[in-house]
This record gives sequence, structure tokens and C-alpha cells, in this order.
Amino acid sequence: DQQVKQNSPSLSVQEGRISILNCDYTNSMFDYFLWYKKYPAEGPTFLISISSIKDKNEDGRFTVFLNKSAKHLSLHIVPSQPGDSAVYFCAASASYSGAGSYQLTFGKGTKLSVIP
Amino acid sequence: DAMVIQNPRYQVTQFGKPVTLSCSQTLNHNVMYWYQQKSSQAPKLLFHYYDKDFNNEADTPDNFQSRRPNTSFCFLDIRSPGLGDAAMYLCATSRDDHSNQPQHFGDGTRLSIL
Repeated sequence: DQQVKQNSPSLSVQEGRISILNCDYTNSMFDYFLWYKKYPAEGPTFLISISSIKDKNEDGRFTVFLNKSAKHLSLHIVPSQPGDSAVYFCAASASYSGAGSYQLTFGKGTKLSVIP
Repeated sequence: DAMVIQNPRYQVTQFGKPVTLSCSQTLNHNVMYWYQQKSSQAPKLLFHYYDKDFNNEADTPDNFQSRRPNTSFCFLDIRSPGLGDAAMYLCATSRDDHSNQPQHFGDGTRLSIL
């Protein structure tokens, strides 16, 4: 049973426009959410995160929004650039884990293509 | 500068022949993780070390073992690889596991089974 879902396997956006990547989760204990970016033949690279005490976090062109009541988060990239073309993974963790381990649960990823 | 380094990048082994994947880090992080990722799937955590303490995921097959001889290095041993073990194996680190921190990933080792 997938606890973190990225329902869009792929997304195409024109250069300069906004890219919106979505992620849904089912585990209400998740309290920390991250986005990773992955280029082919490379490992995932941390992009941006948000704690459940916030509903928005911004870093340059990247903004993550969290809607706890809907168990939904989204990543906005504006303006989109061709170099943003990659697979984006949503991940979540729960700090309640008794072992003290903030294990990440990943979605399957969304492949973003930014068209010049 | 690479901070989490995985070797080799590509590994081919024969069905049933033991194979070892390696990971090293220059971050001096306490926690090291091993993930398995199959095509179009989410990375799946196999196990992790907090310092020398080993934590195995409940559904990780016994075929998979790990060693961490020191802070910098961690190994993934697959004792008898089967065709279903062909995947990308990702190593990651984090400073500790008591706060909300991102994990830092290596570029992975792609394992093929003949």
C-alpha cells in the first residue's frame, strides 16, 4: 500500500511557465516532507523541504505548499527552465518513529520535461 | 565534490554469484542507508546504520546483508543474487536520525544479473 503517491508519471511544461508537481499521502503521522530531483544516471538530489507546522516554504524559483487537511503537497517551479527537466520525487517522514529513525517514504516520481 | 560515492557505477554478476556494492562518504554523517530502486518505482529502504547500530527493514530479504566497518564506509552484500534483484542500489547518508534532515544520496550502482 503506497503511503506517498505521485499520480502523474509525467508532465510537460513550456519554458518560462509554471510547473506544478503534486503529491498525496495517506499516513497522518507524516510531519516532514521533501522533494528530490533526479537526473538520469545520477542519484536523487535534495531540493526543498517543509515541516508540517508550515504550509509554505520558498527557495528561489521553488515553492512547496502543504495542505495537511487534504494530505496533499505540491511543488511549484516558476519560471520553469529546460535544466529543470528531471524526475521529481516526493518523500515523507514521521518523527514519531520510536527507534529514532526518520525514515523516508518515497513516491514513484514525476518526470518533468520543460520544452524550450 | 562528491560527498557520497558509490562503486562501481555498474555491476554485472551471474545468477547466484555473491556481489558486494560499496559506499563511502566524506560528510562524517552518523547514518547510512541502502535503498533498492526498480524501474519506475519508488526507492525502497533495505536497511540503515546509525553509527554501528544496524536496523533492518522487516521485508528486506535475508539474501541482503550489510557491513559498516567505520564511519566512512558501508557495504551491501547480496549473497545469492536472483534475477529479481536487478535494480539500482542507492546509498544515502544523514547527519543523525533525531531531527528532520534531508538525506544525501550517491549516484547509485546499477546491478544486472546474467
